[in-house]
Order: sequence, then structure tokens, then C-alpha cells
Amino acid sequence: GEDVEQSLFLSVREGDSSVINCTYTDSSSTYLYWYKQEPGAGLQLLTYIFSNMDMKQDQRLTVLLNKKDKHLSLRIADTQTGDSAIYFCAPGGGGSQGNLIFGKGTKLSVKP
Amino acid sequence: GAVVSQHPSRVICKSGTSVKIECRSLDFQATTMFWYRQFPKQSLMLMATSNEGSKATYEQGVEKDKFLINHASLTLSTLTVTSAHPEDSSFYICSAQGPRGGYTFGSGTRLTVV
Repeated sequence: GEDVEQSLFLSVREGDSSVINCTYTDSSSTYLYWYKQEPGAGLQLLTYIFSNMDMKQDQRLTVLLNKKDKHLSLRIADTQTGDSAIYFCAPGGGGSQGNLIFGKGTKLSVKP
Repeated sequence: GAVVSQHPSRVICKSGTSVKIECRSLDFQATTMFWYRQFPKQSLMLMATSNEGSKATYEQGVEKDKFLINHASLTLSTLTVTSAHPEDSSFYICSAQGPRGGYTFGSGTRLTVV
């Protein structure tokens, strides 16, 4: 079935850029989402990209999509301590129903 | 690693009947479980947060009498869609929070109400 892989941990210093990478297997995905989850809270949609795009910028967030390699990345510029959370990429929209598939998530730790 | 089993993966039911969806953490104790709903080709919507032994916290606009959530143990949470209607047809997915704070998702349940 569909598989989504992410690194489990990332640690950066405040003010640096963070890059969270994701690889997936379902080439029929039409939307690819990035979610953020803070401790004890539900998922928060950060951004998404259509599969016919290769880049999307939204304030401090930049999403890059390499559809050929099935690789998605999320760059957070000027990372702040408030960005510390777990980040999930979720390809979706593929298949007949467009179900989302989640990986294990990347825990981002931001050090002052 | 942490595994969450969600069952059934696919269910078709008649309008007016109730459907129960189970979410089990297989190798860890889940202090908190989240239930989400996804409409076709759209993003997720958080329905409710359930903590073991207490009442679930529902998001605004989610009918608690229609979507019954029971978190009876540290490894099991259930979502029951009562008196299902075709507009309840959707993809439901649970997520369990483990003791170290990580989250693991179930594989989802495709509900079709006919």
C-alpha cells in the first residue's frame, strides 16, 4: 500500500531555517498537505501544494515538490521556538476516494 | 514502533443504522486519541479529542449525540455514527498519542451510507 517516510527528529537553532523532508509512494496523489501538531492538540493544516506545482511559498513556509522522485519538503524560514512541534506530510487526493495517508511525523525541536 | 489499528477499513451501511469504528493502540498506551473526518478530495477536519476515562471534547459544529466517542481504556477508543445518513459518508481516521508525546495514525475507515 501507500507509504510515507519522514525523518523522526530535526533540531535547529532559533533563527535558522528548518527543512523537513518526506517521500511517498502514491504517484496519483493530487494534493500534498503539511500538518503541524503541537503537544495535546489536534492537527493544524499548515499548507498544501497541488501535484502540478513544484513550489509554493506562504510567508515563512516554502513547499517544494519533486513529483518524479516523489519527494516533498517543507522549509521554515527564521524558525522560532513556537515552531517546535511534530510535522506530518500527507499525500492525498489519489485513488478513487482521495484518502490521506500519514507517516510517523518529524519532531522539530528549536533551541534558543 | 507504535502501531494503531483501525477497524473496519471499509463499511457500507443503510441509512438510519449505526456504525461503530474502533481505534486500538497495539503496543502502547494512548492517553489521548483524536478523531478526524475527511471529505473526498479535501483536508482533514478534527471532530473530537478523547481522553481515557473522561468525556470527549468535540469541535464546534460536531454533534456529540450523533458521533458518540468512547475511550474506555488506554488502548481503545470507539466512534459510533448513530442514525447514519448519506451525508455522513466520509473517511474517518483516528490518531493516538503515546506516552512520549508522539502521534500515530490509524489507516482510516471509509464509511458509505446508502
